[in-house]
Amino acid sequence: SAVISQKPSRDICQRGTSLTIQCQVDSQVTMMFWYRQQPGQSLTLIATANQGSEATYESGFVIDKFPISRPNLTFSTLTVSNMSPEDSSIYLCSLSHPSTDTQYFGPGTRLTVL
Amino acid sequence: AQRVTQPEKLLSVFKGAPVELKCNYSYSGSPELFWYVQYSRQRLQLLLRHISRESIKGFTADLNKGETSFHLKKPFAQEEDSAMYYCAPAGNKLTFGGGTRVLVKP
Repeated sequence: SAVISQKPSRDICQRGTSLTIQCQVDSQVTMMFWYRQQPGQSLTLIATANQGSEATYESGFVIDKFPISRPNLTFSTLTVSNMSPEDSSIYLCSLSHPSTDTQYFGPGTRLTVL
Repeated sequence: AQRVTQPEKLLSVFKGAPVELKCNYSYSGSPELFWYVQYSRQRLQLLLRHISRESIKGFTADLNKGETSFHLKKPFAQEEDSAMYYCAPAGNKLTFGGGTRVLVKP
């Protein structure tokens, strides 16, 4: 299994500000993923973060709103920009085990936007 | 596109009763499916994969290609089984089902 940590674990932010969430893994992985889990909802994939290239965003998510960095094979950040209350969610990063397709998830970052 | 649906948002059963969580998939080919579980205050984690055909924590799941289903079953639910359960196809980009909350009452 993989060890995945996220910072911060939670935050309360004001409307219009931005928050950067960090994800650190204990092994080198090619692809990392960012998900959003809105209150009472299932997980929705935001984007795939590949090291050395731009992130690939899913339908409904854009780089200007959710810029992602992937500076190396063990680290990624997701920024939630110009936040509004609708961005209040849990944000999770994950990685996929290359041979089993099993995904391992971080503990999540609980974001509340006032 | 690979898609799974979980028709039940909430299942409430008494301890010792059987529990079955439904998952239906709607794509062609040879599906590989997973069940993930999230216990209270814990991170989302893999429960079982259909390809391994194993029983984890008393849970089993059989892929039924005729019914395009991958239901999760446990014959005798325990209180510690109370959690959110998600069905998902294999692959790098998981498309989760809507999730089913299981509540096992004493």
